[in-house]
Amino acid sequence: SAVISQKPSRDICQRGTSLTIQCQVDSQVTMMFWYRQQPGQSLTLIATANQGSEATYESGFVIDKFPISRPNLTFSTLTVSNLSPEDSSIYLCSGKDNPYEQYFGPGTRLTVT
Amino acid sequence: AQSVTQLDSQVPVFEEAPVELRCNYSSSVSVYLFWYVQYPNQGLQLLLKYLSGSTLVKGINGFEAEFNKSQTSFHLRKPSVHISDTAEYFCAVSESHDMRFGAGTRLTVKP
Repeated sequence: SAVISQKPSRDICQRGTSLTIQCQVDSQVTMMFWYRQQPGQSLTLIATANQGSEATYESGFVIDKFPISRPNLTFSTLTVSNLSPEDSSIYLCSGKDNPYEQYFGPGTRLTVT
Repeated sequence: AQSVTQLDSQVPVFEEAPVELRCNYSSSVSVYLFWYVQYPNQGLQLLLKYLSGSTLVKGINGFEAEFNKSQTSFHLRKPSVHISDTAEYFCAVSESHDMRFGAGTRLTVKP
């Protein structure tokens, strides 16, 4: 199984700024994903992070708001741009090295003031 | 496209009582099914998974789940819960590369 870490674990940001979240996997994974968990809600898939190419976004999420990079098989970043209070959520990274199971990071708790 | 319905948003139960958390899914193809647990202020931890084979799946912390294809269900059970089982539980389904989650069930174990 893969172990996933995220930085920062939490942050408080001002409206209009941006936050970049880093996701590091301890082994190579074929696929990486970013999820959002709004307060008291389930997880919603934001995008699939593709190595060396543009991420694949789910309906309702756009690259200008959530730019994603994945320079190699063990690392990805998610930026949440032009922050508003509605962006206050937990953002989770996950990785997959087989068709069956996803491993999740501990999440980044973002509060926008 | 696959989807998941968790039938109970909250389940209160007394310590040492049995519990069942219900999950139904819809999919047009074969699926893989999962239960995750999320403790307060933590990420998701895999409890168990169904990929194929035996329909009764045993997981960590004494949990088990049964895959029922005819009823498209994957209910999670534990014969005797502890205070430490208080958490949010998510059922998830995967057809291909991505995973879809249910809305979650908040299990509260009372002394």
